[in-house]
Amino acid sequence: AQKVTQAQTEISVVEKEDVTLDCVYETRDTTYYLFWYKQPPSGELVFLIRRNSFDEQNEISGRYSWNFQKSTSSFNFTITASQVVDSAVYFCALSEARAGNMLTFGGGTRLMVKP
Amino acid sequence: GAGVSQSPRYKVAKRGQDVALRCDPISGHVSLFWYQQALGQGPEFLTYFQNEAQLDKSGLPSDRFFAERPEGSVSTLKIQRTQQEDSAVYLCASSLFQGPSQPQHFGDGTRLSIL
Repeated sequence: AQKVTQAQTEISVVEKEDVTLDCVYETRDTTYYLFWYKQPPSGELVFLIRRNSFDEQNEISGRYSWNFQKSTSSFNFTITASQVVDSAVYFCALSEARAGNMLTFGGGTRLMVKP
Repeated sequence: GAGVSQSPRYKVAKRGQDVALRCDPISGHVSLFWYQQALGQGPEFLTYFQNEAQLDKSGLPSDRFFAERPEGSVSTLKIQRTQQEDSAVYLCASSLFQGPSQPQHFGDGTRLSIL
């Protein structure tokens, strides 16, 4: 069965620091998709990125970057020069080709960026 | 509207009452999902629709939970004879096409409190 683990429940940094959020996943499927979502206090989950299991190329989008490593079953998320507006709960999620369309979420990491 | 709309935003009910939660997906989105999010945890899958067909209801915790999407757009999640453990945020999500690679777009959720 699929599983997503986010070992860091809460991280606190000072503005402009870099921070990495860890995500480790388990799956028996060879075709799967990994996602990151941001949940601000308003409650809405905001889609950030999707990677498929065949594409291990790292991705950068502005201050955000993602490191996908199949060898360690990890899909980590780094925010460079963090800002107060980055404060939120971040979720890593997995979907499998054979398990239908559902997302399996990790427990989330609460990021607090202090001015 | 531009995003997924859920109503009510907050719902308080007494134990034993029935409740109905509404979801308006993004117009034209084929797939619709319901998730349950307990306090401090990641969302957990409840059920999935493709148009009006409920293709997966494996996550519904008991037969007190029922969901429908009769015309393939608006969906209603109904909980009968509510219990205190039903207290949670109920999230609705939609995606343009079906398939595990599709990003899901979430609403703000309905926060349900059972007294």
